[in-house]
Amino acid sequence: AQTVTQSQPEMSVQEAETVTLSCTYDTSENNYYLFWYKQPPSRQMILVIRQEAYKQQNATENRFSVNFQKAAKSFSLKISDSQLGDTAMYFCAFFSMEYGNKLVFGAGTILRVKS
Amino acid sequence: DVKVTQSSRYLVKRTGEKVFLECVQDMDHENMFWYRQDPGLGLRLIYFSYDVKMKEKGDIPEGYSVSREKKERFSLILESASTNQTSMYLCASSLDRGLEQYFGPGTRLTVT
Repeated sequence: AQTVTQSQPEMSVQEAETVTLSCTYDTSENNYYLFWYKQPPSRQMILVIRQEAYKQQNATENRFSVNFQKAAKSFSLKISDSQLGDTAMYFCAFFSMEYGNKLVFGAGTILRVKS
Repeated sequence: DVKVTQSSRYLVKRTGEKVFLECVQDMDHENMFWYRQDPGLGLRLIYFSYDVKMKEKGDIPEGYSVSREKKERFSLILESASTNQTSMYLCASSLDRGLEQYFGPGTRLTVT
């Protein structure tokens, strides 16, 4: 079975600083996708960033970037220049067509950005 | 923009009641999903559907059923609600299974 582990239940960061959220996963598959989703307080979950496993280049979306280490099965999210609006629950998720076409989520990390 | 709506934000039901949670998406997506979200457990997949009248069990289907009579609508049914089904329920849809899932606002269900 595929598992996704987020080892940091809660984190905090000062506004304008950089923070990294960790995610590791366990799979025997070679082709898969990895995602980071953001769930702001009382608001809908939205996609932050997506990485295809066959791509060596790390995905980037504005202030959000990932460090994808395929051999280590690690997929961390770096948020640069943190803003108050980044306060949210962040979920790492794994998808593989060989594993029933289902997204598997980690337990989530609560990130608080402080002013 | 994709819009996924859920019938209620908050719902309180009694043990043994039949509960319907409805989800509607407006982007003609083939795939729809129901998750429950619990602290420390993340999101767990209850059921999903690839097409009208098609459904497949997720990781925790016990105590739930689903219905998809129209492409845009996916309903989650609790046949006889129990207190351990108190949770946040999230609906999602996607154009393709490996692509982004779009989520609804969630329904916080309390069973007393």
